[in-house]
Amino acid sequence: QVTLRESGPALVKPTQTLTLTCTFSGFSLSATGMCVTWIRQPPGKALEWLARIDWDGDKFYSTSLKTRLTISKDTAKDQVVLTLTNMDPVDTATYYCTRAIMSAGVTASDQWGQGTLVTVSS
Amino acid sequence: DIQMTQSPSSLSASVGERVTITCRASQGISNYVNWYQQTPGKAPKLLIFGASTVQPGVPSRFSGSGSGADFTLTISSLQPEDFATYYCQQTFVTPTFGQGTRVE
Repeated sequence: QVTLRESGPALVKPTQTLTLTCTFSGFSLSATGMCVTWIRQPPGKALEWLARIDWDGDKFYSTSLKTRLTISKDTAKDQVVLTLTNMDPVDTATYYCTRAIMSAGVTASDQWGQGTLVTVSS
Repeated sequence: DIQMTQSPSSLSASVGERVTITCRASQGISNYVNWYQQTPGKAPKLLIFGASTVQPGVPSRFSGSGSGADFTLTISSLQPEDFATYYCQQTFVTPTFGQGTRVE
């Protein structure tokens, strides 16, 4: 059974750096085709893709946020960490980590964590 | 970035009705489209990947079609549990989502 769980602060101040951890089980991020992505959703708004890290260490970032984002993995701990610098109230959102599988060039998030709400406020 | 435009933004339908949601990409993206369903307070659920492949465990009333820039999600007979918001996503390049379609 695949599970993913996001953890991190519920409240951050403007200009601070957000660090979120995705702890997963039921699959290996070392296995070919496996990826972990981060996706966020501001309250009442649409989904926004943030970043992805692949089984081979390749990393991909949102075009609009790439200067602020860093994604990394700790395969031994089955964790993926996302940092987002210089937080602003517009970054208030529920942050999801997902398992994505790449097959025949198609990548899709087939398993999702429950999400964690991060509020940016002074 | 590739823009994904869904239509309609919302629709009203009744149980048993056929529902069609469209998604148009700002450029050709082959078949690199996924569809997700989200109910309030829950994480999204993958329905369709690669434009037309139904995710295992998803009811057969859900289907996807399209290639290039125009894509469709169809629910053949709407069920009570299908009232939700649906999102398309392109993964041809840096992934982006549509703005969502609420089925109510």
